[in-house]
This record gives sequence, structure tokens and C-alpha cells, in this order.
Amino acid sequence: AQSVTQLDSQVPVFEEAPVELRCNYSSSVSVYLFWYVQYPNQGLQLLLKYLSGSTLVKGINGFEAEFNKSQTSFHLRKPSVHISDTAEYFCAVSDPLYSGGGADGLTFGKGTHLIIQP
Amino acid sequence: DVKVTQSSRYLVKRTGEKVFLECVQDMDHENMFWYRQDPGLGLRLIYFSYDVKMKEKGDIPEGYSVSREKKERFSLILESASTNQTSMYLCASSFGGRGAEAFFGQGTRLTVV
Repeated sequence: AQSVTQLDSQVPVFEEAPVELRCNYSSSVSVYLFWYVQYPNQGLQLLLKYLSGSTLVKGINGFEAEFNKSQTSFHLRKPSVHISDTAEYFCAVSDPLYSGGGADGLTFGKGTHLIIQP
Repeated sequence: DVKVTQSSRYLVKRTGEKVFLECVQDMDHENMFWYRQDPGLGLRLIYFSYDVKMKEKGDIPEGYSVSREKKERFSLILESASTNQTSMYLCASSFGGRGAEAFFGQGTRLTVV
């Protein structure tokens, strides 16, 4: 199975400051990469995904991520965070091991809790 | 909007009970998934299904089974609940193959006492 490493379990940052959440994956095959966000007491929703093409991917709420194949990384960035960005962020990779029948089971990282300080 | 509905937000069950967690999606998605979320461990895939009556094991299927009798409904079954199955359970659905967006329910927090 694939593995995903999110290097920081918590990232505190001041409001309006930039932020980067780090994600590394292990794979020797073509990968599909995702960032999901979980707001308090809610399910997950997709922020952005990389399938192919441009290595810079733009998502919702001003987030973007850069796919770096040589470093096997997919770091998430936002130039200026808002208090409403407080949430848990999960990096995930599509895992061929869980793609039976055409489904797309994901392998997730352990999550990074983004804490916005006023 | 896609809606994935999990029947209970909170459940408390006793050790040894048979527990059913229900999930319904309203967008005719062929793929459905059950994940378990634990603090510090992220989400781990328990089972998934790509069609009615079809099921595949994920990363941690032990102690669980699933049922998919209708396309819109995917049930997770704990045959004999144990305290180490206390967790948040998230259901998801998707349309299409690899790279498709998964839509998640709000989760069921199960406590086994």
C-alpha cells in the first residue's frame, strides 16, 4: 500500500500570515494526490487534487498545492490565512491496491491541525 | 449538492453487541467507502464497494463486514463490538475511477462500553 506522511501534527499561524502544510508520499507509480479539509464536527471536503498536467494546482478558498515528483511532495499553501481556515487538513493518495472495480480507495496521512491565532 | 447521510451522529453500544452503521447517498454513485478516523492516525479504509453486492477489503477489515444490497446504501457491521472499535466512522461515495472526488458524510461517533 501507499503511504503518506504529514510532517506536522499541528501548525499555529497568525491571521493574515502565509502557511504551508507539508505532505510527502511514497510511490513508484503514477500518483493521484488530494488535499481534504475537515472543519469541526463535519465530514471531509475536497480542497484540491492533482491528477496530471501542471504541477501547481489551485483549489477552493485560496489554497494551492505544488506537486514535486523528484521530492515526492505535495505541499499545501495559502498566502494569507483567515480565522475560518481553522480545521484539520488531510493529504491523501489514490492507492492502486484499493482500486478494485474502478473504485478509488484513498490512503490518508495522519492530518495537520491548522490553528489560526488572532 | 451530493448528500451522504449517516443514520446516527452518536452511538453507544455494549461490548459483544452486533452494531449496524448505515450510510445513504443520493447521487447514484457506484463507489462507496467506510473509513475509520482516530486521533493521530488519520483515516484508514475499512471496506469499499464499487457496485451492488460487490465489496473489497481495505486496510483494516478485521472485525468488520459490510453489506450493499442497494446502490444508494452501504452498511458497516460490527459483528461483536469491542472497546477497541470505539472511533469515528466516516462513509464516503464517489463517481468514476481513480482520481474522482469523494463525498463524505458527517460521521458516526461510536463508543463501545
